[in-house]
Amino acid sequence: DAGVIQSPRHEVTEMGQEVTLRCKPISGHDYLFWYRQTMMRGLELLIYFNNNVPIDDSGMPEDRFSAKMPNASFSTLKIQPSEPRDSAVYFCASRDPGNEKLFFGSGTQLSVL
Amino acid sequence: AQKITQTQPGMFVQEKEAVTLDCTYDTSDPSYGLFWYKQPSSGEMIFLIYQGSYDQQNATEGRYSLNFQKARKSANLVISASQLGDSAMYFCAMREKGYNTDKLIFGTGTRLQVFP
Repeated sequence: DAGVIQSPRHEVTEMGQEVTLRCKPISGHDYLFWYRQTMMRGLELLIYFNNNVPIDDSGMPEDRFSAKMPNASFSTLKIQPSEPRDSAVYFCASRDPGNEKLFFGSGTQLSVL
Repeated sequence: AQKITQTQPGMFVQEKEAVTLDCTYDTSDPSYGLFWYKQPSSGEMIFLIYQGSYDQQNATEGRYSLNFQKARKSANLVISASQLGDSAMYFCAMREKGYNTDKLIFGTGTRLQVFP
């Protein structure tokens, strides 16, 4: 099993540009989570999906952020337009129905200049 | 209100000694789960141990054990026989399960440094 796959590993962009982060969960996992990690705020849950349906997006900072899960094997987190304060590590994680454990991807280090 | 509290920003321990990392939680749900994750300097999040709220015995995984005190709402991680490779950030987390919610909330973390 390849684990949760995130791309890109690193993203450097300029303020105002659109950024798309991608995630492929582990096959068979029905929950998918997007987290953001910063020094100031720690690990924050942004949004999570169950069976491709967004369940709780209360952690999404503002309308500039959006997330989709068009099918069970792919999710995107989009920031448009990006701002320097969006600089962080963004993690995707997934969980299967019979397991408590959350499996994390390697994260995407986003730098907005 | 803070649901997961880790009061130790940093801890030091000598190699081969045991160390306890503190975690308290707050929930009114009878069913919940508690986790510890390790984040080394490389950045990945590594699952260490899990305790369910109805589990009668404290969870153990190799050198890791979870000291679960339900009445005190604490879930401390004990690492026995520390190794240099244990130096990392450690996060306590709680799974909240409710009518329309099922998510993992993390504490602010404790940075552990193991010295020779």
